[in-house]
Amino acid sequence: EVQLVESGGGLVQPGRSLRLSCAASGFTFDDYAMHWVRQTPGKGLEWVSGISWNSGHIAYADSVRGRFTIYRDDAKNSLFLQMNSLRAEDTALYYCAKSLGSMVDGLDYWGLGTLVTVSS
Amino acid sequence: SYVLTQPPSVSLAPGQTARITCEGYNIGSKSVHWYQRKPGQAPVLVVYNDGDRPSGIPERFSGSNSGNTATLTISRVEAGDEADYYCQMWDSSSDHRVFGGGTILTVL
Repeated sequence: EVQLVESGGGLVQPGRSLRLSCAASGFTFDDYAMHWVRQTPGKGLEWVSGISWNSGHIAYADSVRGRFTIYRDDAKNSLFLQMNSLRAEDTALYYCAKSLGSMVDGLDYWGLGTLVTVSS
Repeated sequence: SYVLTQPPSVSLAPGQTARITCEGYNIGSKSVHWYQRKPGQAPVLVVYNDGDRPSGIPERFSGSNSGNTATLTISRVEAGDEADYYCQMWDSSSDHRVFGGGTILTVL
């Protein structure tokens, strides 16, 4: 059974940093692209970042480029999102999601999310 | 950047057919995926590559894509189908995954 479990969220002040983690199990992790998607309170889904199976293709939403870094540790079946210079508008529930295959494919499994609140 | 436009809400009675549209320039040339999100639950992929269904998704869910409109069709709508539905595609020109604004499906 595929499982994705996010962690690392919490309350953080504007300008500070946070690192999100996603522990994956139930599939061959290094065969698939992985993504981070967030849901802001009362709003819809917003893609944040994605990384290909071999880390050769990495992409970011314009709103986070230069502040967030996505990376993966295939030995630990884990995906990470390093978030720096956090802003109030980064407050959201952050989901880790597995791609059907490549970066462009649909996302067939999602975690339950980890909540990030940016506030002073 | 590429924009996907969905109607904010769709309401209908049980047993009717729901059609949720997703408009974007020449979207018919791209692969569209659809997700269902219920409160407190993780999103679920219900249609991928315009019209394919993941295992476990009922045949009542289908999709089509042509011209400037992609459509998610839910036949014989049930109370359990109440959820937010999002279309999504990959914009290769910006190298971004793009989501529509979402449609709230209400079963009266």
